[in-house]
Amino acid sequence: NAGVTQTPKFQVLKTGQSMTLQCAQDMNHEYMSWYRQDPGMGLRLIHYSVGAGITDQGEVPNGYNVSRSTTEDFPLRLLSAAPSQTSVYFCASSYRDRGIGELFFGEGSRLTVL
Amino acid sequence: GQQVMQIPQYQHVQEGEDFTTYCNSSTTLSNIQWYKQRPGGHPVFLIQLVKSGEVKKQKRLTFQFGEAKKNSSLHITATQTTDVGTYFCAGRTSGTYKYIFGTGTRLKVLA
Repeated sequence: NAGVTQTPKFQVLKTGQSMTLQCAQDMNHEYMSWYRQDPGMGLRLIHYSVGAGITDQGEVPNGYNVSRSTTEDFPLRLLSAAPSQTSVYFCASSYRDRGIGELFFGEGSRLTVL
Repeated sequence: GQQVMQIPQYQHVQEGEDFTTYCNSSTTLSNIQWYKQRPGGHPVFLIQLVKSGEVKKQKRLTFQFGEAKKNSSLHITATQTTDVGTYFCAGRTSGTYKYIFGTGTRLKVLA
């Protein structure tokens, strides 16, 4: 099993460009989420999904869109990148049974916006 | 909204010394999880605590969940160089599917 796979691992964008960070999991997890990690601020939840067709906002959703058309995939879209979105992005998934279990993280995507 | 604070932000210890990080939530939690992130890596799950006053041990690591379910701690006995990394707590409130992470404690172990 590959677990949680994120692509790309590194990306440089110019302000105003758009892009999609991909996240796929092969564990049949219902729950998937996106976090961003900035120095001194821990991991902040951007968006999450509890199943195909269902998404909701986390702590810092502005500037990001998500969709969940399949159980396996949960892409994160930046419509118009800003320097403040320079960060390391982690996708995480879990089973959903009487709550949420342990989060399995991808290896991260490092995004720089110039 | 829900906030989770962790202290200290940094901790340097000599190998063999003990280490403790504390996690405090602004709201009562349904459960709390702990993660370790090695430098350059991704967070890896350590443990989950659910019950009020719960204490769990994993070898040299001891995890506690407060009686009011608003705070937690991770204690490492006799640190080793392999313990280096950042330790995060993540709390979830009842009825939500959001895990809110603490700011993390970065541990350095000096040999």
